[in-house]
Amino acid sequence: QSALTQPASVSGSPGQSITISCTGTSSDVGAYNYVSWYQQHPGKAPKLMIYDVSNRPSGVSNRFSGSKSGNTASLTISGLQAEDESDYYCSSYTSSSTLWVFGGGTKLTVL
Amino acid sequence: EVQLVESGGGLVQPGGSLRLSCAASGFTFSSYWMTWVRQAPGKGLEWVANIQPDGSEEYYVDSVKGRFTISRDNAKNSLFLQMNSLRAEDTAVYYCATQSNYRIDYWGQGTLVTVSS
Repeated sequence: QSALTQPASVSGSPGQSITISCTGTSSDVGAYNYVSWYQQHPGKAPKLMIYDVSNRPSGVSNRFSGSKSGNTASLTISGLQAEDESDYYCSSYTSSSTLWVFGGGTKLTVL
Repeated sequence: EVQLVESGGGLVQPGGSLRLSCAASGFTFSSYWMTWVRQAPGKGLEWVANIQPDGSEEYYVDSVKGRFTISRDNAKNSLFLQMNSLRAEDTAVYYCATQSNYRIDYWGQGTLVTVSS
């Protein structure tokens, strides 16, 4: 049971937009603007895509955006491309003794 | 270019020990918090431990407290994870990663630890 709740899968067609939700609590997502999103292709290391809710690291496409409302954060990918097909994980800093919590991951399928 | 290369994984019996290493390059290692994150086969990510730049403070997920020890050698740009009293549920790919402010940014390729008899 992951600390943050994500849908197991989402799908979309090339060119469309999709949104992945990440629901936590008032001790993590709701308490801090320290939500990050990671992309992980099979057999590869995770790659940071969004940090501090809505900031993109250098080199990450502006098709990726993040937001937060209350205890739920969201990752939106616009203009879907085949290479976006991957697993996506959210993460948040938390006030609990476990300093970071992750979501269970969402498999994005580009149809 | 930031590079993180983990080593030391392998097959170990329950109750055994293993020491993971992470060789860092391409950034000022001694200025960064460092962290270990693991991923059980087919499962999600789990933060394991992190350590301050000067090694003076360490933090652990509850499930490994008292069994795992994170350490670093800033002179050798290296991060370590000593794992004792290993259990089947510790089986995972272990990633070494940098931590900047409140994000885990650069990740190594990981090393697989399998705990089985």
